[in-house]
Amino acid sequence: GAVVSQHPSWVICKSGTSVKIECRSLDFQATTMFWYRQFPKQSLMLMATSNEGSKATYEQGVEKDKFLINHASLTLSTLTVTSAHPEDSSFYICSAERAEGSNQPQHFGDGTRLSIL
Amino acid sequence: GDSVTQMEGPVTLSEEAFLTINCTYTATGYPSLFWYVQYPGEGLQLLLKATKADDKGSNKGFEATYRKETTSFHLEKGSVQVSDSAVYFCALSVNTGGFKTIFGAGTRLFVKA
Repeated sequence: GAVVSQHPSWVICKSGTSVKIECRSLDFQATTMFWYRQFPKQSLMLMATSNEGSKATYEQGVEKDKFLINHASLTLSTLTVTSAHPEDSSFYICSAERAEGSNQPQHFGDGTRLSIL
Repeated sequence: GDSVTQMEGPVTLSEEAFLTINCTYTATGYPSLFWYVQYPGEGLQLLLKATKADDKGSNKGFEATYRKETTSFHLEKGSVQVSDSAVYFCALSVNTGGFKTIFGAGTRLFVKA
C-alpha cells in the first residue's frame, strides 16, 4: 500500500535553532500534503495545507513565518520550524493525498517528535 | 462549521470485553467518515472508513456504520485485546475544493489482561 515517510522521527535541539522536517510519499504522487501538530493527549490540529508548486494555505492562528512550508515536488513537502523555542515542542505529523484525488483517505507519516531545550 | 465529537476517555476494559466508542459529526454536504488508530509514539493508521450512508467499515474485528439519520459513526469491537490499547480518532473528510480532514479529540483505550 501507499507509504508516507517522515524524517526525522525525533529531534532534540537548542532554543533558537531552525529544524526541518521532511514528508515524502514513497509510491504515489501527492499534489496535496497536510501538516498537523499534536499536543500530548490531544487531537491533531491542522496547521497548513501544502500544495505542490504553490504557496501553502495556513490555518488561522498559525504563523507563516514561524512554520515555513515548501512543497517543491509531487513527492516531497518540508516543514521548517524557524528559531524554535520550547513552546514549539510537539509531535508534528504530515499526511499526503493522492494526486488523482477522489474520496480517498490521507496517508499519514509516523510523525516527528520535536523537543526544544 | 464541520466538526466531530467523540466520547471522552480514557476507556478502560478487560480483555475480551465489548467496546463501543461513540462518534457524531456535523457536516455540510456528504462527508466520508473514518476511524484512525494511534499507538504510543507513532503516527496515525487508518483503521476503517465509510464513504456513504449505511456503509459499514470493518477491519481487524472493528466495525462502524455510517448512520446519516443520527449523524453517527460509532466504533465497535466484540472482544478487545490488550494489543488494542491505543488512541482512536474519529474523523470526517469533506471536499472544499480539496479534501480536508477534521478529527475528533481522540479516545484513549486501555485494555487490561
